Amino acid sequence: GAGVSQSPSNKVTEKGKDVELRCDPISGHTALYWYRQSLGQGLEFLIYFQGNSAPDKSGLPSDRFSAERTGGSVSTLTIQRTQQEDSAVYLCASSDGQGAARPQHFGDGTRLSIL
Amino acid sequence: KQEVTQIPAALSVPEGENLVLNCSFTDSAIYNLQWFRQDPGKGLTSLLLIQSSQREQTSGRLNASLDKSSGRSTLYIAASQPGDSATYLCAVTETSGSRLTFGEGTQLTVNP
Repeated sequence: GAGVSQSPSNKVTEKGKDVELRCDPISGHTALYWYRQSLGQGLEFLIYFQGNSAPDKSGLPSDRFSAERTGGSVSTLTIQRTQQEDSAVYLCASSDGQGAARPQHFGDGTRLSIL
Repeated sequence: KQEVTQIPAALSVPEGENLVLNCSFTDSAIYNLQWFRQDPGKGLTSLLLIQSSQREQTSGRLNASLDKSSGRSTLYIAASQPGDSATYLCAVTETSGSRLTFGEGTQLTVNP
């Protein structure tokens, strides 16, 4: 079946603009995660959605970052007033169960470049 | 705060060699440990997941071990091939949540 799909695959934008990144998880997966991969920082957790529970937003680096998940499926990560340090690859993952027991399946990511 | 370290940062070997990648973590209160592979420009592919109660997992030429009490895991790759060239990432899930905490990765090059 289809894996985790992310769009766009690449995004170049000017500093100060808002951007939206999209993630389509594997069908039926109830858990969805966003991570950021940047040079010198490695992979960092951003936010986690599980079913209808309140999301775990503890990894979001600032209030310019927000995410939502509509209908328990598609998720959008929004970055407002982008800064150059936001340049990174944003990865989405999904898993088919609650908690940590199930492996996370990753998309190919969105490479974001802020000019 | 959990910290995950991977050694070496980079490794270059001739085809056919057996090799070991190392991962260590500072807080032994983990739920599981997962090894991933990342090819350039791609996302992560899960290779092996070891629950905290397990000691090892095997898949084909790959074997991962876990010593939770000492905070260590190893990924053993037998009879390496050029197609194994990639970055290998180790990540742990803590009992406090489902997020993954990643190491910096080991960049592996297998030369034909």
